[in-house]
Amino acid sequence: GEDVEQSLFLSVREGDSSVINCTYTDSSSTYLYWYKQEPGAGLQLLTYIFSNMDMKQDQRLTVLLNKKDKHLSLRIADTQTGDSAIYFCALGQTGANNLFFGTGTRLTVIP
Amino acid sequence: GAVVSQHPSRVICKSGTSVKIECRSLDFQATTMFWYRQFPKQSLMLMATSNEGSKATYEQGVEKDKFLINHASLTLSTLTVTSAHPEDSSFYICSAIQNPRDGPNYGYTFGSGTRLTVV
Repeated sequence: GEDVEQSLFLSVREGDSSVINCTYTDSSSTYLYWYKQEPGAGLQLLTYIFSNMDMKQDQRLTVLLNKKDKHLSLRIADTQTGDSAIYFCALGQTGANNLFFGTGTRLTVIP
Repeated sequence: GAVVSQHPSRVICKSGTSVKIECRSLDFQATTMFWYRQFPKQSLMLMATSNEGSKATYEQGVEKDKFLINHASLTLSTLTVTSAHPEDSSFYICSAIQNPRDGPNYGYTFGSGTRLTVV
């Protein structure tokens, strides 16, 4: 299976940028996702990137993919207190059912 | 967009009783549904994959007789925790996908989760 690693914690000040990193081992993943989980809630899809892309930007979110290093990152610009949550990266393959989740990064935004 | 409804959101039950958790896809037909378990401060652990009309596929280490999964229709899957014990207390999350080959276009939609506490 796929091993997907993330740093457990990240703290940033409100208004700064946050960068959440994810490394993985299996290079056959087709889709790479970022999910947000607020306390006591399910997972909300934030954005995704195809494996043939290097970068994707969606408003305050920028996803960077370095396939050579098997490294995925999520940058949140102008981080707000409402961005405080756990962020999971997840990897999937075309035609395959399961997603492989990272360990999750708990983002704390300091006012 | 696609919505998955999961109920109940929170349940407290006595040890030895059974609890049923429902997962419904509200505006699409889910060919496949997944059940995850999340321990505090940990990532999601896939428990089983269920396809409509067939038996669920359980991950290694998950007791199929304890965690009964029924995917009776294209919009409903249920997880029943039988003879629950305090160690079964956890956060359970379902997700549904319309067609795996469609990838993120009909991507994995998650329910809001069920907090199970067994006392």
